[in-house]
Amino acid sequence: KAGVTQTPRYLIKTRGQQVTLSCSPISGHRSVSWYQQTPGQGLQFLFEYFSETQRNKGNFPGRFSGRQFSNSRSEMNVSTLELGDSALYLCASSQRGAGEKLFFGSGTQLSVL
Amino acid sequence: DQQVKQNSPSLSVQEGRISILNCDYTNSMFDYFLWYKKYPAEGPTFLISISSIKDKNEDGRFTVFLNKSAKHLSLHIVPSQPGDSAVYFCAASAHQAGTALIFGKGTTLSVSS
Repeated sequence: KAGVTQTPRYLIKTRGQQVTLSCSPISGHRSVSWYQQTPGQGLQFLFEYFSETQRNKGNFPGRFSGRQFSNSRSEMNVSTLELGDSALYLCASSQRGAGEKLFFGSGTQLSVL
Repeated sequence: DQQVKQNSPSLSVQEGRISILNCDYTNSMFDYFLWYKKYPAEGPTFLISISSIKDKNEDGRFTVFLNKSAKHLSLHIVPSQPGDSAVYFCAASAHQAGTALIFGKGTTLSVSS
């Protein structure tokens, strides 16, 4: 079974731009969660999607958004990028979501210049 | 306010000895706890989990202990191997409330041969 796939692996953007990251979950997994990892804050929950609906949201500004498609693939978008958005963005999938172990992708390393 | 705390940023252990990684939590609603291992530039890999109805769970060289009254859990690795060198994250969720995983900031384990 293929694991969680995230694309692209690396991204360099400048302040004010927007970016879209993609995630393909493990086959059969309907829940997709997104996390941001930074050296200072660690792993922080962004949001969770289940069956195309956002089910849970972390404490991030509205510039961070996401969506999930009918095939469970998910995208997250960050608009008006700031320097502080530089981070490793991790996608994780599970069958049902809440309270389950998550399977993580390798992440997208975003650098904002 | 950190709900999951790993107070030791780093731990050094000799090959063959026991590694003990600690984690404290503050939210009494947490009922599911997990440990993840992470190498640089990769996503976290699930190691072991424990439900709040148990106080111990074993999987090979890995054992997790949960002390609910102290709101404390620990991961024991016996015997430690050089390949265990990585960052270890403790995570928790309130399953019944459908919350996302909340991660600690990690402990870097170095196992020397």
